[in-house]
Amino acid sequence: ETGVTQTPRHLVMGMTNKKSLKCEQHLGHNAMYWYKQSAKKPLELMFVYSLEERVENNSVPSRFSPECPNSSHLFLHLHTLQPEDSALYLCASSQIQGYEQYFGPGTRLTVT
Amino acid sequence: QKEVEQNSGPLSVPEGAIASLNCTYSDRGSQSFFWYRQYSGKSPELIMSIYSNGDKEDGRFTAQLNKASQYVSLLIRDSQPSDSATYLCAVRPYNNNDMRFGAGTRLTVKP
Repeated sequence: ETGVTQTPRHLVMGMTNKKSLKCEQHLGHNAMYWYKQSAKKPLELMFVYSLEERVENNSVPSRFSPECPNSSHLFLHLHTLQPEDSALYLCASSQIQGYEQYFGPGTRLTVT
Repeated sequence: QKEVEQNSGPLSVPEGAIASLNCTYSDRGSQSFFWYRQYSGKSPELIMSIYSNGDKEDGRFTAQLNKASQYVSLLIRDSQPSDSATYLCAVRPYNNNDMRFGAGTRLTVKP
């Protein structure tokens, strides 16, 4: 266990649904990240929060909406997704942005 | 040119051999380099970080960095079947606080 938890671990949703992914870190870190991992592709950085402020949004479609209520929790709100959004969504945290990142177990998302 | 390049493999080595995983990067000013291991169906796990030219050893793992050649490698000595996984190279470019990941090299260690 890395000290980063994610729920749910698996999620199947229709294109018209709204769901949220949750990430919690117990490491006292100050930066949190959302990544998307699709088959045969490098990890894609989606969002970065440092000290609870969003510092990066890598041209992610608006159907993905992050929320960071405090330094330990990170959410990814999903709505009207497309089948190509099916992937493994990973949360990570680091002591300071740019240093070693520790990943949660991921949420396997399937959009039908 | 990709920011971080790795041979996708698969790289197959016999048990007990040395596995050599390679990574090149495009940003000459990069300062921080990381190796992650990812088992099938699992999330990436940090193995090592390296910041200075030369070798850094941790148990059976050795990371090697050559900034002049923009090259970082990971050696796994006495490879075990449990080392079979995809190994991800990550680089923090100059003047940027975020990592760039390679697509990973799949390693198979055969008993």
